[in-house]
Amino acid sequence: QQPVQSPQAVILREGEDAVINCSSSKALYSVHWYRQKHGEAPVFLMILLKGGEQKGHEKISASFNEKKQQSSLYLTASQLSYSGTYFCGTESTGTASKLTFGTGTRLQVTL
Amino acid sequence: DTAVSQTPKYLVTQMGNDKSIKCEQNLGHDTMYWYKQDSKKFLKIMFSYNNKELIINETVPNRFSPKSPDKAHLNLHINSLELGDSAVYFCASSPALVPGELFFGEGSRLTVL
Repeated sequence: QQPVQSPQAVILREGEDAVINCSSSKALYSVHWYRQKHGEAPVFLMILLKGGEQKGHEKISASFNEKKQQSSLYLTASQLSYSGTYFCGTESTGTASKLTFGTGTRLQVTL
Repeated sequence: DTAVSQTPKYLVTQMGNDKSIKCEQNLGHDTMYWYKQDSKKFLKIMFSYNNKELIINETVPNRFSPKSPDKAHLNLHINSLELGDSAVYFCASSPALVPGELFFGEGSRLTVL
């Protein structure tokens, strides 16, 4: 069962903030986040390994609640370059080495 | 020099044909993967190899046969192509068996007519 992401799609104006959620039905070992621009390959953003750990660089950060089997990606002061489809990828305990991608969230940033 | 390269980038073929996609990585990684992205953009793992050894075979039909001649190469051969095989196939690599950052190739878009 793949992780479920919400929302499915979001449109922002440049400078606005967004939160993308990722929820799994399985106990998680880690959560990964990727961004895929149209017609391109997915590109790695970050990995979160511990419950409650928050990571980020510049204006993109994420949190991982191990107990709730959820992760959230925070995009602050969005830029046009943030447009694309965001995927979470989860590693479940007991099935390490297998990264299962979520349903995806399409983000569009407009002027 | 491209880190993970796939060929061909586009394939258009008839139902019933056989086709292959090749993947090479020059990152020195031990683990390679094949992912399928369908028309709804869902990314699903198909296979993973670690040092030429098959690790994950994700309930993929027998018509799909991966081959890893060495740890830098992972090819995908598909027999008797069906309409539902139309998708973008991504090759990826990671440094070790427990996936850290995945480095994806540009993808190979397969269209079955």
